[in-house]
Amino acid sequence: GIQVEQSPPDLILQEGANSTLRCNFSDSVNNLQWFHQNPWGQLINLFYIPSGTKQNGRLSATTVATERYSLLYISSSQTTDSGVYFCAVDHGSSNTGKLIFGQGTTLQVKP
Amino acid sequence: DAGVTQSPTHLIKTRGQQVTLRCSPKSGHDTVSWYQQALGQGPQFIFQYYEEEERQRGNFPDRFSGHQFPNYSSELNVNALLLGDSALYLCASSFRGTGFSPNEKLFFGSGTQLSVL
Repeated sequence: GIQVEQSPPDLILQEGANSTLRCNFSDSVNNLQWFHQNPWGQLINLFYIPSGTKQNGRLSATTVATERYSLLYISSSQTTDSGVYFCAVDHGSSNTGKLIFGQGTTLQVKP
Repeated sequence: DAGVTQSPTHLIKTRGQQVTLRCSPKSGHDTVSWYQQALGQGPQFIFQYYEEEERQRGNFPDRFSGHQFPNYSSELNVNALLLGDSALYLCASSFRGTGFSPNEKLFFGSGTQLSVL
């Protein structure tokens, strides 16, 4: 099956710093989403981005489907950005509705 | 507008018992998916329900079963609980509509933390 690899596994930042999280996938995808899981376990959908670039406030994401990777950019990080960031994909020629999650990047933002 | 709601939030069971978890999708959504998240891991897909039928299934044994009701809410049942079933169980909802439309953004509930002793 498709492999989803996220890097780095852990990241510690000082408040105000910028960061880039990466998601590599081993096969073509028709659905790619980024999620933030806060320390209380709630998964928040950040982006639906099977291709192209999107921005939402301090966050932006880019997916280059032909090269099988996606990037999540966090600018001017805040302590509330702490948590685990997951990339999830649905692969194949048609949507199956089955998202495969990566192992996540754990981000800690220090004040 | 209520988001995805799950109940209960926490549950403690013993090996061999059976458990039922419940989920109400976000208003306007018709598709419910269930995921299992072990500690330190990413969520793993269990199955998806649409139009009251199981449409997709992940690599989980038949001890895991589900149901979707006419109001789109869903239940996850796990029989003969094992210690390894201890995990956070997440419900996610989305909108598919009448055709096979792209499975766009998933919205997750807060989860049910299941502990099997």
